[in-house]
Amino acid sequence: GEDVEQSLFLSVREGDSSVINCTYTDSSSTYLYWYKQEPGAGLQLLTYIFSNMDMKQDQRLTVLLNKKDKHLSLRIADTQTGDSAIYFCAERVRAGKSTFGDGTTLTVKP
Amino acid sequence: GAVVSQHPSWVICKSGTSVKIECRSLDFQATTMFWYRQFPKQSLMLMATSNEGSKATYEQGVEKDKFLINHASLTLSTLTVTSAHPEDSSFYICSADPQDLLPTYEQYFGPGTRLTVT
Repeated sequence: GEDVEQSLFLSVREGDSSVINCTYTDSSSTYLYWYKQEPGAGLQLLTYIFSNMDMKQDQRLTVLLNKKDKHLSLRIADTQTGDSAIYFCAERVRAGKSTFGDGTTLTVKP
Repeated sequence: GAVVSQHPSWVICKSGTSVKIECRSLDFQATTMFWYRQFPKQSLMLMATSNEGSKATYEQGVEKDKFLINHASLTLSTLTVTSAHPEDSSFYICSADPQDLLPTYEQYFGPGTRLTVT
């Protein structure tokens, strides 16, 4: 079955880069997503990558995908205090249900 | 575009009463909507998949008689928590698939509803 795992906490200083890691197990063709959740709010889609891609860059965000190891990472360049939130990775096989990781709490210290 | 709303955003109810939460797609038609539950500092747990005009599909361990889901139109799905108990207190989030699902299979999430049962 599908399973998505993330490290639970990450703390960085403002201006540094943050790297959040995720592993997944489903080997089907799939999309992988990164969501941001601020306290008391819903999920905001940050970016996504298809499982046949290696990398995707979108402004300060870089997604790297290692298909062999089923490892996904999200790098946030020049991290700001406003980036403090919980980040979820998720996988979805076509129009089926999404499976979410447990979330990584990112704390950005000034 | 692609906005999903939830109402109410928060609700407090007494134990034993029922609470209805609405999920609306505001600018698109949604054939499929999903209901999630999230406990503090935990991940989203899928409760059920709701398809317009048919019965919802519940995940294992979710009581369908307790969590009633109705997807009566292409823009509205409702979740009714019946005979609520304090352990039902949680953050409930819905998401919607547009009728013309993008090739990225992107889901659109509502802002969530905080339910507190006293």
